[in-house]
Amino acid sequence: EAQVTQNPRYLITVTGKKLTVTCSQNMNHEYMSWYRQDPGLGLRQIYYSMNVEVTDKGDVPEGYKVSRKEKRNFPLILESPSPNQTSLYFCASRERGLGNSPLHFGNGTRLTVT
Amino acid sequence: TQLLEQSPQFLSIQEGENLTVYCNSSSVFSSLQWYRQEPGEGPVLLVTVVTGGEVKKLKRLTFQFGDARKDSSLHITAAQPGDTGLYLCAPRYSNYQLIWGAGTKLIIKP
Repeated sequence: EAQVTQNPRYLITVTGKKLTVTCSQNMNHEYMSWYRQDPGLGLRQIYYSMNVEVTDKGDVPEGYKVSRKEKRNFPLILESPSPNQTSLYFCASRERGLGNSPLHFGNGTRLTVT
Repeated sequence: TQLLEQSPQFLSIQEGENLTVYCNSSSVFSSLQWYRQEPGEGPVLLVTVVTGGEVKKLKRLTFQFGDARKDSSLHITAAQPGDTGLYLCAPRYSNYQLIWGAGTKLIIKP
C-alpha cells in the first residue's frame, strides 16, 4: 500500500531533550516536506526537500533540522525542543516538487513539550 | 505577501442541507487544490483546479475556480455526516510551493 509513515504518533518530552520524528514514503517520490498544524493557523511549512541531499527552509524553520540522505526518508530533528514547538506535525510527499501532483500526508505526530 | 482567507471558519448544519465554503486571496493563483482532513489523519486531496472559471464535480461536491483565479468555492449538496471534516484550500502562486488556508471545520449532524 502506497503510504507515508510517521513515527511516533504521540510524543511527550521535556524542554531541551533532543528528539527525532521519522518519516518514510514507499512511492519513490522526489519531493518531501514537513508541516506543523496549529489551531487557526493552518498548515505551515517547516522544511522541504526537492530530492536526495537537497533541503530548503519553509516558512517556520527555526528550531528544526532535517536531512535527506535517502529518497524514502526525511526525518525531522528538534535539537533542543521548547514549549512553543508543541504542535501537530505532518510529513508529506509528492511525486515531484513542480506540477500539481497530489501531496500524500502521513497521519501526524502530536508533540507536547513541557 | 499573499493573503489567504477561508470562510466560514466553522460550520455546523443538519444532514441534507446544502453549503458553500470559500477560499479568497489578494493575489492570482496559478492553480489550487482542495483537501479534506478527518480527525486523527492527514489531509487528503479532493481536487485540483487550474483554469479560471473551471468547475469540477466530485459526486455531491462542486468546486469552482474564480474567473480571475483569486478565489475558489466548494459547494456540497445534501450534506451527509461522512462529509464532516476540515476543508483546506491550498493555492499555488507563481512559485511551486503551496500556501495553506486555516480551513473550514464542517460538522454535519445526523
